[in-house]
Amino acid sequence: NAGVTQTPKFQVLKTGQSMTLQCAQDMNHEYMSWYRQDPGMGLRLIHYSVGAGITDQGEVPNGYNVSRSTTEDFPLRLLSAAPSQTSVYFCASSEMDGWEQPQHFGDGTRLSIL
Amino acid sequence: GENVEQHPSTLSVQEGDSAVIKCTYSDSASNYFPWYKQELGKGPQLIIDIRSNVGEKKDQRIAVTLNKTAKHFSLHITETQPEDSAVYFCAAPRGKLQFGAGTQVVVTP
Repeated sequence: NAGVTQTPKFQVLKTGQSMTLQCAQDMNHEYMSWYRQDPGMGLRLIHYSVGAGITDQGEVPNGYNVSRSTTEDFPLRLLSAAPSQTSVYFCASSEMDGWEQPQHFGDGTRLSIL
Repeated sequence: GENVEQHPSTLSVQEGDSAVIKCTYSDSASNYFPWYKQELGKGPQLIIDIRSNVGEKKDQRIAVTLNKTAKHFSLHITETQPEDSAVYFCAAPRGKLQFGAGTQVVVTP
């Protein structure tokens, strides 16, 4: 059972470039979320989805887009990368009523914007 | 201000001693309080959680206590071991899930 799989594990981009961070889960979870982790700031919610075709903004959505065409996949797109988006990005999934259920995290994508 | 405050930010303990991390939250409607452990280079992993209908929950060397009146909950690790060294996060739902800033725990032999 793979759980939550994130790719790539590392990425370096130049300012202005775009890219997509991939996230897939094999647990048939309805909720999926993207967080960014910065030193001293814990995990901040970027975007989330409560099911296929439904997405919503979290605490820090600016500069990011998401879509949810299948239950399994929840990609995060950086439209025009900025140095402030240098961070570690985590994808998570959970069952229905996801905010009061255990979150299952991937191992993260470490992203550097030059 | 922060919705979930976590203290301390760093904690150094001798192997075999106990460690305590405390979190306070703001939303009195919150009913679910998880704790996550993050090892270097990995994603956070749930280690224990508590719901508002109980005051304490134990799982071997770890326990979580909840005081809903004071709006705080704590993680207790007894008989600490080097493998307990990690970053620990608390969380509480306030609409969405809000995480504390994390506590770096270092267990020295």
